[in-house]
This record gives sequence, structure tokens and C-alpha cells, in this order.
Amino acid sequence: EDKVVQSPLSLVVHEGDTVTLNCSYEVTNFRSLLWYKQEKKAPTFLFMLTSSGIEKKSGRLSSILDKKELFSILNITATQTGDSAVYLCAVEGNDMRFGAGTRLTVKP
Amino acid sequence: DSGVTQTPKHLITATGQRVTLRCSPRSGDLSVYWYQQSLDQGLQFLIQYYNGEERAKGNILERFSAQQFPDLHSELNLSSLELGDSALYFCASSARDAPYNEQFFGPGTRLTVL
Repeated sequence: EDKVVQSPLSLVVHEGDTVTLNCSYEVTNFRSLLWYKQEKKAPTFLFMLTSSGIEKKSGRLSSILDKKELFSILNITATQTGDSAVYLCAVEGNDMRFGAGTRLTVKP
Repeated sequence: DSGVTQTPKHLITATGQRVTLRCSPRSGDLSVYWYQQSLDQGLQFLIQYYNGEERAKGNILERFSAQQFPDLHSELNLSSLELGDSALYFCASSARDAPYNEQFFGPGTRLTVL
């Protein structure tokens, strides 16, 4: 059965720290992997990855995909309190499958 | 604001009832996705439509159905409601079909079944 597993489930850091969030997957007919940030409302899109080894970057956030080892990481450098959210990984195969999310808390 | 609209924002109803949730995608987007998010299940994909046709089906119960109309808005119908159907229902839209599937989420409809 297709599955997406995120780790850790929860993470508490202090402002300025760097964090790495993990997403591993097993899906049929892989098409893309997406990262979303969810605060108190709807998820907002961060990155979409389709090719291995190509880093996507947006400000302090970056992500990379390894299609051989079936995982992706999301890095956040110099974290800020505004980065506190649940980060969701989703994989598109025959359908869309989401991981349970990583709840990141950034303390001042 | 993602450009995806959902109505109503909140819905409170009783077990056994039927409700309809509505979604208008971003202008120009052809794909619509429905998701259910509950505390214990996380975000679950229900169904996808592309330009009026069903494209992919996820964990959608037989009591639930959806459709996408010629103007591209979509409706999710939930019938014979049970307490466990209480959840946040999101609609998302994207410009194209899979792959390259960047999705934009609406604000959600919170359904409470009493």
C-alpha cells in the first residue's frame, strides 16, 4: 500500500536554529513530491519536486528529492517564530497521499 | 488568499442528514481536488476532477460523491452523515492534470455532525 512517512512528528527549536524535516515514501507510479506549510488554516504550497538531486530554494527554505532512496528533506535555516507550523509532505502517484506532518515550534 | 473559494465556512448538521459543499477553483485552473482533514486521520485525499471528468479516487466513502460542472466549480455531496464525518473539508485546484501538480488550497469547510 502506498504510504508517506514524515519524521520527526514534532520538533521544538529556538530562533536561529537550522532544522531538517524528513519525508520518505512508497508510492505506485511516482509523479511528484510536494511540501506544504499549514498554520491554523489551509496548507500553503512551498515546493514541488520531480527530479532527483535538484535543490529547490526559496529564501531560508530549501528542499531536495532522492528518487533512488525514496525520500525528500526540507531544510529551514535561521528559523524564526513565524516558521512555527505543521509541515506536510505529499506524494503524487496514482492519487495524492499526505504524510502526518511535522509540527515545528520555534521559540524566541 | 489562494483564489480558491469554498462555501459554506461552517456547517452543523445531524446524523443521517445530507450536505453539499461547494468549491470554486482559481481562475483558469482545470483540476479540483477534495480532501478531508480530521484530527486523528490527517489530510486524506478524496477525489480529483480534471475539466469535468473524474481523474483519481482516494479514500472516498460510497456515501460521498462529487462532481465538477462545466463552469469548473465542484460540489462534494455527503449523505447519511455519521459522527465520524465531522472534519475540515478542503478543496484545492491546480492548473493542469498530473504531474507538475502544484495545488492551491481553499480555506476549507468545517463540518460538524451532531
